[in-house]
Amino acid sequence: AQKITQTQPGMFVQEKEAVTLDCTYDTSDPSYGLFWYKQPSSGEMIFLIYQGSYDQQNATEGRYSLNFQKARKSANLVISASQLGDSAMYFCAMRELIQGAQKLVFGQGTRLTINP
Amino acid sequence: EPEVTQTPSHQVTQMGQEVILRCVPISNHLYFYWYRQILGQKVEFLVSFYNNEISEKSEIFDDQFSVERPDGSNFTLKIRSTKLEDSAMYFCASSPTDTLNTEAFFGQGTRLTVV
Repeated sequence: AQKITQTQPGMFVQEKEAVTLDCTYDTSDPSYGLFWYKQPSSGEMIFLIYQGSYDQQNATEGRYSLNFQKARKSANLVISASQLGDSAMYFCAMRELIQGAQKLVFGQGTRLTINP
Repeated sequence: EPEVTQTPSHQVTQMGQEVILRCVPISNHLYFYWYRQILGQKVEFLVSFYNNEISEKSEIFDDQFSVERPDGSNFTLKIRSTKLEDSAMYFCASSPTDTLNTEAFFGQGTRLTVV
């Protein structure tokens, strides 16, 4: 079974609109961390935001926020007021304590395109 | 801002040749990783390294692969006899700790092309 599922292979959004990128995860470990990374066309992986399984509040970092719904095992990334520079691949990833908390398991990614 | 540095950015090699991908992790980090991303696919974990030994490896990381931290600053991935299917982007990453909330800092990647 997939640990991390991103069901949207591609998303097209008008500049300045908000966009939600979906991520669902599968774990039986009560202790885990969820991450979002951005990969622009240049290829590097850029950390965006983190949500811990015990965090009471949704994480926010500037224009990025995480809609964390623990019971539904979803951790959707919300980008407010999208910009042309937000066009990139976006990956959701998870660390589990039961797995030693070292490796990140990634989803398939969503390619986001912001239209002017 | 400190960063993970990988060299070369692009390497082309003939099938069957050995390649060494090099990484300089962030200096005060203790945990080191290699991931790979076949073109258009997700990023996959290869190996984690701590205290001069492998702490975890995936099923992809077979006997053809090895890692080394030869001099306290560099972290290398060696592929002994490359195959066409080894063509991918290889990312080195490092972390200061192995706690759940610790992000992995990624290098810019080495694109390996096996011909």
